[in-house]
Amino acid sequence: DAGVTQSPTHLIKTRGQQVTLRCSPISGHKSVSWYQQVLGQGPQFIFQYYEKEERGRGNFPDRFSARQFPNYSSELNVNALLLGDSALYLCASSLRTGGSVNTEAFFGQGTRLTVV
Amino acid sequence: AQTVTQSQPEMSVQEAETVTLSCTYDTSESNYYLFWYKQPPSRQMILVIRQEAYKQQNATENRFSVNFQKAAKSFSLKISDSQLGDTAMYFCAFRSSYDKVIFGPGTSLSVIP
Repeated sequence: DAGVTQSPTHLIKTRGQQVTLRCSPISGHKSVSWYQQVLGQGPQFIFQYYEKEERGRGNFPDRFSARQFPNYSSELNVNALLLGDSALYLCASSLRTGGSVNTEAFFGQGTRLTVV
Repeated sequence: AQTVTQSQPEMSVQEAETVTLSCTYDTSESNYYLFWYKQPPSRQMILVIRQEAYKQQNATENRFSVNFQKAAKSFSLKISDSQLGDTAMYFCAFRSSYDKVIFGPGTSLSVIP
């Protein structure tokens, strides 16, 4: 079975531009979460989507947005890029059975975004 | 708000020896999960071991075991018989409701031949 897949793997953008990152969850997983990992730090939670609805949002500006599609894949959009947005963006998927915490999150290999 | 702290930014261990990584967390919730993730240079975040807060028995996965002290909000990871492939960043993480995972700052572990 394929794991969580993210595209692209690497991306270079200029300040002020917009970027879209994509994530395909493991087949059967309905929950997708996004994390930002700045070099040398732990991942920080950005969004969680379940059944195409936003179920959680971290402390990130409105320049960050996301959505989940009927096939449960997801996109993360970042507008008006800043140098500080340079990071590894991780996507994680899980089954999420009805509010139980007993679900494991599986991570993709991430998208390395560099803003110049 | 939940927080996770790892007080050891870097650690090293000789191959075949044992090493313990420390983690403390803060939460007011009673039902939650704790995790240790490994992130090698390949960037893939790999689950090493997990612990349900309502279970008193410490989790074990082969060479990896935890010491979970709920009252002290402490969750340390012990790696026995360290191998070169254990070299990686290790993140302690906490999850309560939904799927939001809160990560600590990480400990860089180097296994020395």
